[in-house]
Amino acid sequence: DQQVKQNSPSLSVQEGRISILNCDYTNSMFDYFLWYKKYPAEGPTFLISISSIKDKNEDGRFTVFLNKSAKHLSLHIVPSQPGDSAVYFCATYFQGAQKLVFGQGTRLTINP
Amino acid sequence: ETGVTQSPTHLIKTRGQQVTLRCSSQSGHNTVSWYQQALGQGPQFIFQYYREEENGRGNFPPRFSGLQFPNYSSELNVNALELDDSALYLCASSRPGTVNTGELFFGEGSRLTVL
Repeated sequence: DQQVKQNSPSLSVQEGRISILNCDYTNSMFDYFLWYKKYPAEGPTFLISISSIKDKNEDGRFTVFLNKSAKHLSLHIVPSQPGDSAVYFCATYFQGAQKLVFGQGTRLTINP
Repeated sequence: ETGVTQSPTHLIKTRGQQVTLRCSSQSGHNTVSWYQQALGQGPQFIFQYYREEENGRGNFPPRFSGLQFPNYSSELNVNALELDDSALYLCASSRPGTVNTGELFFGEGSRLTVL
């Protein structure tokens, strides 16, 4: 039962352009939605989050959008930089369960 | 401020053996969680510890057990290893102010291979 899905295993974007990563979820009870970034041989690093009561959160080049009616989450990176090349995981958090539920990840490659 | 550190980084075991993985939480963080990441998948929640007590558990059998110590370090123990236990095991800590937001600080992980 996959509650969080990232349907694109990989994405390739030109440096300077916008990267858009997508995520779908099935459970409406989640309290927070988060994005984590993972480089090889490192643990995931928290990137940005959004509360379930909001529809947009921005932090520098990173913006997360939440569409509750469509149960869809997206991460926009503008402009994309080579250092953004990594695997990106979306995750949901339900305070009652005290756990993160992760998607399968999307490998983002930024081309010079 | 030191980050989350895990040991060992890599290890190989055979089916049926037992393994203990260790984690030192980031300074000031009193909650620790363990996740299993199989190849090509996202991390899956195993359990969480707070004040040395298990505070939530995912869909893992009882042969997965843990401990949290007074200094907030933690151990993950897996008994009767199976081939499917081969994975990256991630330890994560959270500080008191963000424990209910899902913002976790992860270690680099321990990669376990079961032959």
